[in-house]
Amino acid sequence: GENVEQHPSTLSVQEGDSAVIKCTYSDSASNYFPWYKQELGKRPQLIIDIRSNVGEKKDQRIAVTLNKTAKHFSLHITETQPEDSAVYFCAAPNSGGYQKVTFGIGTKLQVIP
Amino acid sequence: GAGVSQSPSNKVTEKGKDVELRCDPISGHTALYWYRQSLGQGLEFLIYFQGNSAPDKSGLPSDRFSAERTGGSVSTLTIQRTQQEDSAVYLCASSSPVGLFSTDTQYFGPGTRLTVL
Repeated sequence: GENVEQHPSTLSVQEGDSAVIKCTYSDSASNYFPWYKQELGKRPQLIIDIRSNVGEKKDQRIAVTLNKTAKHFSLHITETQPEDSAVYFCAAPNSGGYQKVTFGIGTKLQVIP
Repeated sequence: GAGVSQSPSNKVTEKGKDVELRCDPISGHTALYWYRQSLGQGLEFLIYFQGNSAPDKSGLPSDRFSAERTGGSVSTLTIQRTQQEDSAVYLCASSSPVGLFSTDTQYFGPGTRLTVL
């Protein structure tokens, strides 16, 4: 099965700075890499995802990069704002025609005003 | 449209009692997942249903846990003889993979917070 490692587990940045969260995965056949944001007391929600046919995807202040050779992908948040404070989870799917994903342990991001 | 709903939102029970948690997925979603999230922790996979296929129960922590999905829609997670370590938020998610080799966004419900006294 898939093994997903995520780091750092906690991250504090000043408002306006950038934040980067990294994940590695073990299954070279994985082809879909989502990122979920979970605000305190709320449900996880997808914020961005990338499929293996591209190396980078952007959506306003957030971007995800994928390096299939090295089997890692990263979430980049620029110009961080206090509302970006949350726990972020990466995930990667099991291969073999299977839709189950394995989540990373999560990164607690704190944006300091 | 309506998202994933779960009930109850909160459940307090005594050790040894059985509990049932319900999940209503988004209409038309063929895949349904249950996760457990302890305070400040990550998402622990419990069980996965996909269409009419046999469920993947590999994440269930013990035989006290079971789940059903009736008619390919509503799912019920049952915990028998609850223990204090079962206290957590139980999250349900559904998705609509396009094909067998497709993975798609999971839409999460609000969760059920279970407290075992």
